[in-house]
Amino acid sequence: DTEVTQTPKHLVMGMTNKKSLKCEQHMGHRAMYWYKQKAKKPPELMFVYSYEKLSINESVPSRFSPECPNSSLLNLHLHALQPEDSALYLCASSRLGQGNTEAFFGQGTRLTVV
Amino acid sequence: AQKVTQAQTEISVVEKEDVTLDCVYETRDTTYYLFWYKQPPSGELVFLIRRNSFDEQNEISGRYSWNFQKSTSSFNFTITASQVVDSAVYFCALSEADFGNEKLTFGTGTRLTIIP
Repeated sequence: DTEVTQTPKHLVMGMTNKKSLKCEQHMGHRAMYWYKQKAKKPPELMFVYSYEKLSINESVPSRFSPECPNSSLLNLHLHALQPEDSALYLCASSRLGQGNTEAFFGQGTRLTVV
Repeated sequence: AQKVTQAQTEISVVEKEDVTLDCVYETRDTTYYLFWYKQPPSGELVFLIRRNSFDEQNEISGRYSWNFQKSTSSFNFTITASQVVDSAVYFCALSEADFGNEKLTFGTGTRLTIIP
């Protein structure tokens, strides 16, 4: 089972709303990632979790709050977002180690902030 | 700092034609890893290949082939006898050994359209 599942697939939220994006994998991967992808741009790394601990935060604004409740789940809590935060949010997972492993990506959540 | 350049923003070819997607990278590391991912309209990034810096053998997988040349810092991707299902955005990416997947640097992508 080489699948990363993200929910919801689409989300429209107002600037005062609080919502969460969810990501799940059952491949036994101990590294999980959040990426943000604007239209016609490459994915940009936001956060990395290694062994359920936050290991990298790419200077992401605090209105994005990641959480890794266990080795299979990764959440991204959203609060007071801006319209420019509208994007495709991709979750990925991989085995830990040096670059000799590949990351598996979910289908993403298309977020629209109104 | 590492950098990946995909100079071709968009390519359109007629079905059954061969097409090559270019990727040029920059890194100061002697050990690094190169990747190609496909992103269809559905959104997910689909892993296609990983190549480490010590392995310059070209690889063929069905209609796909990859040409890795350290001398020119290139890792090009060729699709033979293209099909409509190959239409997607293709990203080349680089990671340095110290960071692995945690620091994947993506190129800007090439949008490939296969015309029936």
